Amino acid sequence: DAKTTQPPSMDCAEGRAANLPCNHSTISGNEYVYWYRQIHSQGPQYIIHGLKNNETNEMASLIITEDRKSSTLILPHATLRDTAVYYCIVRGLRHSGGYQKVTFGTGTKLQVIP
Amino acid sequence: KAGVTQTPRYLIKTRGQQVTLSCSPISGHRSVSWYQQTPGQGLQFLFEYFSETQRNKGNFPGRFSGRQFSNSRSEMNVSTLELGDSALYLCASSLVELSSYNSPLHFGNGTRLTVT
Repeated sequence: DAKTTQPPSMDCAEGRAANLPCNHSTISGNEYVYWYRQIHSQGPQYIIHGLKNNETNEMASLIITEDRKSSTLILPHATLRDTAVYYCIVRGLRHSGGYQKVTFGTGTKLQVIP
Repeated sequence: KAGVTQTPRYLIKTRGQQVTLSCSPISGHRSVSWYQQTPGQGLQFLFEYFSETQRNKGNFPGRFSGRQFSNSRSEMNVSTLELGDSALYLCASSLVELSSYNSPLHFGNGTRLTVT
């Protein structure tokens, strides 16, 4: 499975856009990029996912580079409730065949500052 | 639509005992997967069930087992508990099996297991 690399922590001022980067340089052509976030003592919450094209939903935007080796999650107007750990993961078929597993890395701890 | 429900929310057990955790997926979801989350190891995949069949398994000992019922509800069992089994156990459901990777996983809030 492709591994992801994220900065351990970031700060963002309330009301400003939060841009969270993720490196997935070993991603293969059939792997999707997913973003989740986890607030303390709750389960991970699905945010958005994409394959090649940029995606937007009511929560966030996902920008994937043309070579697909990295992506950025954008929270357009961060609020205090967006303070959480954000995980970037990739999901797809293993080249060796069989079913793929889901693995989360250590994520980015985003602190939104008033 | 109700989300993924896990019970119990908290559990305290002693070494050597066994424990059963329950997960009710989102209505209509047929895939249920289980994860262990600890501060040191992060979130690790345990296994996935789809249509009552185990489809995939992570690198955990045989003390960890599970099953899925015809209504897609799932249970996870850990026998002969060890101190290192203390963790947050998360269940996630998906509309289709995990190998259809264009379908998001939706997580419950987990069961916090403490082994003393």
